[in-house]
Amino acid sequence: KAGVTQTPRYLIKTRGQQVTLSCSPISGHRSVSWYQQTPGQGLQFLFEYFSETQRNKGNFPGRFSGRQFSNSRSEMNVSTLELGDSALYLCASSLSGAEETQYFGPGTRLLVL
Amino acid sequence: SQQGEEDPQALSIQEGENATMNCSYKTSINNLQWYRQNSGRGLVHLILIRSNEREKHSGRLRVTLDTSKKSSSLLITASRAADTASYFCATWWGGNTPLVFGKGTRLSVIA
Repeated sequence: KAGVTQTPRYLIKTRGQQVTLSCSPISGHRSVSWYQQTPGQGLQFLFEYFSETQRNKGNFPGRFSGRQFSNSRSEMNVSTLELGDSALYLCASSLSGAEETQYFGPGTRLLVL
Repeated sequence: SQQGEEDPQALSIQEGENATMNCSYKTSINNLQWYRQNSGRGLVHLILIRSNEREKHSGRLRVTLDTSKKSSSLLITASRAADTASYFCATWWGGNTPLVFGKGTRLSVIA
C-alpha cells in the first residue's frame, strides 16, 4: 500500500496570505489527524477528521481550518498567515482513530516571511 | 497540559550501549504509543502499549508501562548510529479524545 502523502512538501508565503495543505491517507483509512510541529512547542494537535466529520479540534485560532472529502483525503487551510505559523505540518492517518497506530506523512514545511 | 513528558530531553551514548527514555503523564490513559522521528521528517510508529499491558517488545525495543506511577519507558538495546533520532511518547485517554504527543527525547548514538 502507498503511504501517507502530503503536498506540497515545502512552501514559502508572506504574512497575511493564506495557504492550503493537502493530505492523502493510506487507502482504507478513514481517520486523518493534523499536527503542527515547531522547535519550541513540539507537536501540537490541530484537528482530526473521521468520515468527513471533524471529531476533535485542538487549541488553535479560527484561522486554522480543515475538511475531509468522501475519499478520506483531507485539506487544512490557514488564513491570514503570521510569522509564528512557520512550522512543519504533519498529517497522520489510521483506520479509525487515536486508539490505533498512526501513519504519518513526510510533512509540509511552511515558512512565513 | 495533558501531554506526556519525556525525560531526558537529550541523550548521547556510544554505539553498542543501551538507551533508556522515560515518559510520564498526569491522567489515566487508554494507550500509550512511542514514535521515532529522523531529522524533521514524518514520525514512524514503534510500539503501542495498552493500559492493561505491562511490557511489549519489538526487535531491540522494549517498552514498559507502569500505570500506578503513570509512566512508561522505552529501552533500545545495542544502539546503532542509525538509531539517532527524536523519540516521542503519545498518550490517548479514550473516547473521543486526540492522541497527544510529548516534546520528545533527542537521542544521539556516536559511532
